[in-house]
Amino acid sequence: KNQVEQSPQSLIILEGKNCTLQCNYTVSPFSNLRWYKQDTGRGPVSLTIMTFSENTKSNGRYTATLDADTKQSSLHITASQLSDSASYICVVSGAGSYQLTFGKGTKLSVIP
Amino acid sequence: NAGVTQTPKFQVLKTGQSMTLQCAQDMNHNSMYWYRQDPGMGLRLIYYSASEGTTDKGEVPNGYNVSRLNKREFSLRLESAAPSQTSVYFCASSEVPHQAGELFFGEGSRLTVL
Repeated sequence: KNQVEQSPQSLIILEGKNCTLQCNYTVSPFSNLRWYKQDTGRGPVSLTIMTFSENTKSNGRYTATLDADTKQSSLHITASQLSDSASYICVVSGAGSYQLTFGKGTKLSVIP
Repeated sequence: NAGVTQTPKFQVLKTGQSMTLQCAQDMNHNSMYWYRQDPGMGLRLIYYSASEGTTDKGEVPNGYNVSRLNKREFSLRLESAAPSQTSVYFCASSEVPHQAGELFFGEGSRLTVL
């Protein structure tokens, strides 16, 4: 069964600090991996997509990495801001499959 | 830009009652989806419509029906609500099928079934 595991489940960091969120998956064959940000009470919004050939991709202060060999991805947030407080969801798409596999998310709280 | 609009935002039902969640998108997307989000679980696909005129079951379709009214609108109906259907429901759309394209989500509809 395809699975996406995210860690940690929750994280509290001080404003201005960096953090890294992890995503491990078993989806095979792999097509792509997206990171979504979900603010409390809102719908998820895409941050970035990683395909098989990509190792690193940045979107402002967000940097995603992908290691397709070990089936791991990370999302690094630099110089965190209060507005980064949200849940971050990892979503993996399998090649040749219509199904997406969603992780349970990491809840990030940035405190002053 | 409205994007994906869902109504209602909040609803309380009694067991056995029926209701319809409405969803409309103004991005001219071909594909539309209904997901549910429960505490401690990832988003789960209920039904999807890959294109106007088609609908298909997702991972958790039991107890639900859908209608793709036109290219813009995709509704979700609960015929006889059960407490297990208490959840947050998200409508989403994508320009291309969601395994390749970005999903654009609505704000969610919070449903409580007593």
